[in-house]
Amino acid sequence: QSVLTQPPSVSGAPGQRVTISCTGSSSNIGADYDVHWYQQLPGRAPKLLIYDNNNRPSGVPDRFSGSKSGTSASLAITGLQAEDEADYYCQSYDSSLSGSVFGGGTKLTVL
Amino acid sequence: QVQLVESGGGVVQPGRSLRLSCAASGFIFRSYTMHWVRQAPGKGLEWVALISYDGSNKYYADSVKGRFTISRDNSKNTLYLQMNSLRAEDTAVYFCARALGYGDYSSAFDIWGQGTMVTVSS
Repeated sequence: QSVLTQPPSVSGAPGQRVTISCTGSSSNIGADYDVHWYQQLPGRAPKLLIYDNNNRPSGVPDRFSGSKSGTSASLAITGLQAEDEADYYCQSYDSSLSGSVFGGGTKLTVL
Repeated sequence: QVQLVESGGGVVQPGRSLRLSCAASGFIFRSYTMHWVRQAPGKGLEWVALISYDGSNKYYADSVKGRFTISRDNSKNTLYLQMNSLRAEDTAVYFCARALGYGDYSSAFDIWGQGTMVTVSS
């Protein structure tokens, strides 16, 4: 059972918009710790997609965006493309655990 | 270019030990907090441990506390994970990762290694 809760799967057709939620608690997201998002392609290492809730590293398309409110955060992907099919993970810091925590991951399927 | 390369994985019997290494290049290693993250086969990511830029602070996930030790040698640009009393549930790909910028322990992980597989089995 992951500390951060994500839906196991989401799907969308090419060109559509999808969102992935990440729900935490008062000791992590709700304690105002930043949320980060990663994309993991099969057999590859995770890649940083969004940091500090809504910032994109250089090279990440602006189709990817993040938001945070209260004890939850969301990743939005617009203009879905086939190459977006991957696993997505949210991450934050938990003060009661004194360490990072991840969501269980969400598998995105592009129909 | 900025790179992290893990090594040291393999097959080990339950109760035995293994040491993983992570060689850093392309950046000033001694300036960054570093982490270990693992991923069991078919499962999600699990944070394992972190070490501050100078090695003075170390934190562990409850699942490995007392069995694993994170360390670093800034003169060799290398991060380590000493894993003792290994269990079947420690079977995973182990990634080392760099904390973004010079931030605190809640920073994102901006650079990841390719991972090294550890299999604990008799």
